[in-house]
Amino acid sequence: GQNIDQPTEMTATEGAIVQINCTYQTSGFNGLFWYQQHAGEAPTFLSYNVLDGLEEKGRFSSFLSRSKGYSYLLLKELQMKDSASYLCAVRGGAAGNKLTFGGGTRVLVKP
Amino acid sequence: DTEVTQTPKHLVMGMTNKKSLKCEQHMGHRAMYWYKQKAKKPPELMFVYSYEKLSINESVPSRFSPECPNSSLLNLHLHALQPEDSALYLCASSRGPDYNSPLHFGNGTRLTVT
Repeated sequence: GQNIDQPTEMTATEGAIVQINCTYQTSGFNGLFWYQQHAGEAPTFLSYNVLDGLEEKGRFSSFLSRSKGYSYLLLKELQMKDSASYLCAVRGGAAGNKLTFGGGTRVLVKP
Repeated sequence: DTEVTQTPKHLVMGMTNKKSLKCEQHMGHRAMYWYKQKAKKPPELMFVYSYEKLSINESVPSRFSPECPNSSLLNLHLHALQPEDSALYLCASSRGPDYNSPLHFGNGTRLTVT
């Protein structure tokens, strides 16, 4: 099976940096995704990591360490619109293509 | 705007009703998914279709019946649901079942079972 852990909630100030950690255990790892979900809306794709290291995409970066079963999403220069839930999702499982989501981290950006 | 379209946006149904949720994408994606999401919880996988064939069924009760008429359409037929089935039902698609293909989600159908 798959087990994915991330903090429930984080608060940060506008303009600051926030790091959301995700740890996972899975049989058959085929990549880790980060999604953003605003309340009442669909999840939207942010990033994908399958090899160790850092992927940077504008204000958002994602890091993966496969040996540690660990990833983080880094949000820089926080804006009020970044207040949302951030979901870590792991692709794996017996068939290899099952995408399972962690519980999500609610980020609240304060002025 | 999402490129995966789900209808209806909201649905209220009784426990004896039969209804269907519809999902459509025109991105040429060959994998489609149904997820269920309860309030303040992550999406939970229900079904995966790959090249119009059911490839994953996460032990979903038979009162939920998926159908993939063609590569652009995905339906979820509902019958004799329970109040605890009330949730947001999300459809998603990806380029294929290949591992680095991100899922694109529709805005969901908010279902209430009375």
